[in-house]
Amino acid sequence: QSVLTQPPSASGAPGQTITISCSGSRSNVGSNSVTWYQQLPGTAPKLLISNNSLRPLGVPARFSGSKSGTSASLTISGLQSEDEADYHCATWDDNLSGQVFGGGTKLTVL
Amino acid sequence: QVHLVQSGSQLQTPGASVKVSCLASGYSFTNYAINWVRRAPGQGLEWMGWVDTNTGAPTYAQVFAGRFVFSLDTSVSAAYLHINDLKAEDTAIYYCARDRFSGYGPADYWGQGTLVTVSS
Repeated sequence: QSVLTQPPSASGAPGQTITISCSGSRSNVGSNSVTWYQQLPGTAPKLLISNNSLRPLGVPARFSGSKSGTSASLTISGLQSEDEADYHCATWDDNLSGQVFGGGTKLTVL
Repeated sequence: QVHLVQSGSQLQTPGASVKVSCLASGYSFTNYAINWVRRAPGQGLEWMGWVDTNTGAPTYAQVFAGRFVFSLDTSVSAAYLHINDLKAEDTAIYYCARDRFSGYGPADYWGQGTLVTVSS
């Protein structure tokens, strides 16, 4: 059972916009910045969004992140087939004094 | 260019021990912490803890305190994960990942992962 809650799956057609949620509590999402990782099949996770909404160099602008209260969201606009991957949210938990992850969301591009 | 290169897959029997290595290159090793993260089959990512590359001091997530040991060899820019008394539920892909903020994250570079399979 993961500390952060994500939907196990999401799907969308090419060109559509999808949003993946990440729900936590005051001790984690509510108090610390959220990171999103993309994990393509058979590969290591890749940093996608840091500090709730910052994109590292090289990450396309169609990936965006936001946070409000104890929930965060990852939005992918203009969905492409190569976006098919697992998406993981993560943050620090003040009570656990460690990082916590969501269970991951498997994105299918129809 | 930053690289974290991990050792290859391992098959071990229950009760045995395993050592996973993570060799860093392309940056100053002691400027970044090394995190260890696990992904078990059908599960999400799980943070195991981090090691301070300046002091060698490890910090373990509560679930991983005991059989899991982090170590370093700074002379070769390497981090190691030792797992003792292996159990079937330790079967997973283990990743090393660096971060600038002492285990707080985010992890900007990851190793390719090492599959550890525990089976009799």
